[in-house]
Amino acid sequence: KAGVTQTPRYLIKTRGQQVTLSCSPISGHRSVSWYQQTPGQGLQFLFEYFSETQRNKGNFPGRFSGRQFSNSRSEMNVSTLELGDSALYLCASSFTRGKGMNTEAFFGQGTRLTVV
Amino acid sequence: GQQLNQSPQSMFIQEGEDVSMNCTSSSIFNTWLWYKQDPGEGPVLLIALYKAGELTSNGRLTAQFGITRKDSFLNISASIPSDVGIYFCAGQLRQGNLIFGKGTKLSVKP
Repeated sequence: KAGVTQTPRYLIKTRGQQVTLSCSPISGHRSVSWYQQTPGQGLQFLFEYFSETQRNKGNFPGRFSGRQFSNSRSEMNVSTLELGDSALYLCASSFTRGKGMNTEAFFGQGTRLTVV
Repeated sequence: GQQLNQSPQSMFIQEGEDVSMNCTSSSIFNTWLWYKQDPGEGPVLLIALYKAGELTSNGRLTAQFGITRKDSFLNISASIPSDVGIYFCAGQLRQGNLIFGKGTKLSVKP
């Protein structure tokens, strides 16, 4: 079974630009979550999508958005990039049991975004 | 918001030693997860715990879900060089998002 696939692995962007990151979950997983990892703040939850709907959201500004497609693949978009957005962006997929409870989350290798 | 206190922040290991780390929270979690992350890679799931009091092993790794549902620990027995890396605990809320500890960095004793 293929794992979680994130593309691209590395990205360099200029301040003010926008960026789109992609995540393909494990087959059969319908929940996709996104996390930002920085040395100072650690791993922080951005948002979670389930069945093409945002089900949960962390404390990030509106410049961070996402979406999920009918095949459960997800994209994350960051507009008007700032230097502080430089981070490792991680995607995780989970299988969702009844009552909306996710099983364990499996992570992709991440996209390393550098904003210059 | 919820926070996880993970300790120790870092530790040095000598091959063959046992290692312990733990996480505590002021909040109750339904699931505790332990991950290991190598440089430049995503976290890899080591152990998942679903019930208070549950003790689960994965090879040389053993983890427990605290009775109060506010804490968890991870033990590594007879450590080997490839155990170096950063270990994270994570508590999972019902809605599916994970709250992570700051990590425990395992290094080899000089």
